[in-house]
Amino acid sequence: AQRVTQPEKLLSVFKGAPVELKCNYSYSGSPELFWYVQYSRQRLQLLLRHISRESIKGFTADLNKGETSFHLKKPFAQEEDSAMYYCALNQGGSEKLVFGKGTKLTVNP
Amino acid sequence: GAVVSQHPSRVICKSGTSVKIECRSLDFQATTMFWYRQFPKQSLMLMATSNEGSKATYEQGVEKDKFLINHASLTLSTLTVTSAHPEDSSFYICSANTGGDQETQYFGPGTRLLVL
Repeated sequence: AQRVTQPEKLLSVFKGAPVELKCNYSYSGSPELFWYVQYSRQRLQLLLRHISRESIKGFTADLNKGETSFHLKKPFAQEEDSAMYYCALNQGGSEKLVFGKGTKLTVNP
Repeated sequence: GAVVSQHPSRVICKSGTSVKIECRSLDFQATTMFWYRQFPKQSLMLMATSNEGSKATYEQGVEKDKFLINHASLTLSTLTVTSAHPEDSSFYICSANTGGDQETQYFGPGTRLLVL
């Protein structure tokens, strides 16, 4: 069965420091991976998807099939990056998303 | 970007009553919508996939007679929690798929249900 693991419930960094939110998945096929972000009192929104290979708000994520990982990185964290981050997997051919438990990122001034 | 709305945003009801939650895609048509449940400090759990014009597909462990889903049009799906009990208290979130090459799920703001 497909599964998404985010090992860190909480992550706290200082402004300007690099940040990496970990995500590992288990799926035997060709998954599509996403990162969603939820800012305080706002709805869940798509941050980026692996097939786009784009950088959004300075965040990047590379799909590593060998390590079955899709870690989210940003070289210099900003206070406005503080939010809940969810890694999600979409099994090929399906529209359903499987979410990790989320990591709460706090960027301190 | 696309907008998905939910109504109501918050509802309090007595045990045994039924509650209907609406999910609307405001500026796009969605043949597929999804209903999630989120417990405090936990992740989103997919409850069911709502397909326009056909029966919803429920995830394992979700009672279809308890959580009635109706996807009457390409912009509206409803979730009815029937005979609600305190354990049904939760945060219910819907999402809608845009379809197309850059298919994206857009999420509603969620509905907080409290059953007394």
